Amino acid sequence: DTEVTQTPKHLVMGMTNKKSLKCEQHMGHRAMYWYKQKAKKPPELMFVYSYEKLSINESVPSRFSPECPNSSLLNLHLHALQPEDSALYLCASSPIHMTGTYEQYFGPGTRLTVT
Amino acid sequence: TQLLEQSPQFLSIQEGENLTVYCNSSSVFSSLQWYRQEPGEGPVLLVTVVTGGEVKKLKRLTFQFGDARKDSSLHITAAQPGDTGLYLCAGGRDDYKLSFGAGTTVTVRA
Repeated sequence: DTEVTQTPKHLVMGMTNKKSLKCEQHMGHRAMYWYKQKAKKPPELMFVYSYEKLSINESVPSRFSPECPNSSLLNLHLHALQPEDSALYLCASSPIHMTGTYEQYFGPGTRLTVT
Repeated sequence: TQLLEQSPQFLSIQEGENLTVYCNSSSVFSSLQWYRQEPGEGPVLLVTVVTGGEVKKLKRLTFQFGDARKDSSLHITAAQPGDTGLYLCAGGRDDYKLSFGAGTTVTVRA
């Protein structure tokens, strides 16, 4: 099973709302990622968790707050977002090889619209 | 700064024709991945190459990793409308990060 699931598929929220995006994988991968993707652009890395600990934060604004409750789950908590935060949010996971090969498996994404 | 230069940016061909997408860099990567993405969906991993000079085939798709592990190509033989999508190359480094190319939008007309 090479599936990463994400919920919800679509989300519309106001600038004062608080919402969460959820991601789950059951491949035993110990690295999980959040990306933001604008139309016709490559994904931009936001956060990396390795062994359930935050290892990379790409200078993401604090209105985005990641959480990794266990090795299968990854959440992204959203608060006070701006319209320019509207994008496709992708979750990914990868095995951690000693060789340094980190092929990533992506979920279907959450299409977020901030009004 | 885009570490991986992908070309061409757009490609529109007739069904049955062949196409090649290139991914070039001045940096060495520990691995290189190719993904295909359809609108509104996440990228789907097509292949990972790790050894310089490696060639992998996936049905009508042929992937090549350069000898110096700095460049790669994707060749599709007898393209079909189902091959339409955004093709992304991504280079793996030793810090969990992937460096993505800007992508190639491929349209195969029936």
